[in-house]
Amino acid sequence: NAGVTQTPKFQVLKTGQSMTLQCAQDMNHNSMYWYRQDPGMGLRLIYYSASEGTTDKGEVPNGYNVSRLNKREFSLRLESAAPSQTSVYFCASSEQPGDDNEQFFGPGTRLTVL
Amino acid sequence: SQKIEQNSEALNIQEGKTATLTCNYTNYSPAYLQWYRQDPGRGPVFLLLIRENEKEKRKERLKVTFDTTLKQSLFHITASQPADSATYLCDPSNDYKLSFGAGTTVTVRA
Repeated sequence: NAGVTQTPKFQVLKTGQSMTLQCAQDMNHNSMYWYRQDPGMGLRLIYYSASEGTTDKGEVPNGYNVSRLNKREFSLRLESAAPSQTSVYFCASSEQPGDDNEQFFGPGTRLTVL
Repeated sequence: SQKIEQNSEALNIQEGKTATLTCNYTNYSPAYLQWYRQDPGRGPVFLLLIRENEKEKRKERLKVTFDTTLKQSLFHITASQPADSATYLCDPSNDYKLSFGAGTTVTVRA
């Protein structure tokens, strides 16, 4: 079991460029999440998908879009990258939505926007 | 608005001592509180979950308390080891749209 995988591991973009961060899980989990982590800010939820076919906004959704492609995959898209989106992005999954479910995290994508 | 605060300073302790980390939350009442460990360059890893009706929970050398009156959770690492050095994040959730605390970095000196 690979758990949660993310690609790419590192990315540098210029302001205005677009890109998609990919995430996949092989644990047959229903729920998936995208977070960003900035120094001193902790992990902030961008979007989540409680189950296949549904997506909802988290705490900081502006500037991002998501697609739950199937049960395994949940992608995050930056349509027009801005320097404020420089961050480390983590994808996570859990068996079910809800606060009593352990989340499993991927290794992260380190994104720099120049 | 809802707010989560963890020890803002890094915690440096001697091997064998107990590390105590604090997680405070305001303006809401979480039904659960989770603690995660994060090593540099890696994603967080789940450690413990405590429910609002549980006062204390233990797992090996870890102990978590949950005081809903004080709106606070304490996370203890007993008999600490250098391998316990990491950042510890709390997640007091009443709604899984909420984000995590900023974390407390613990360094255990041999």
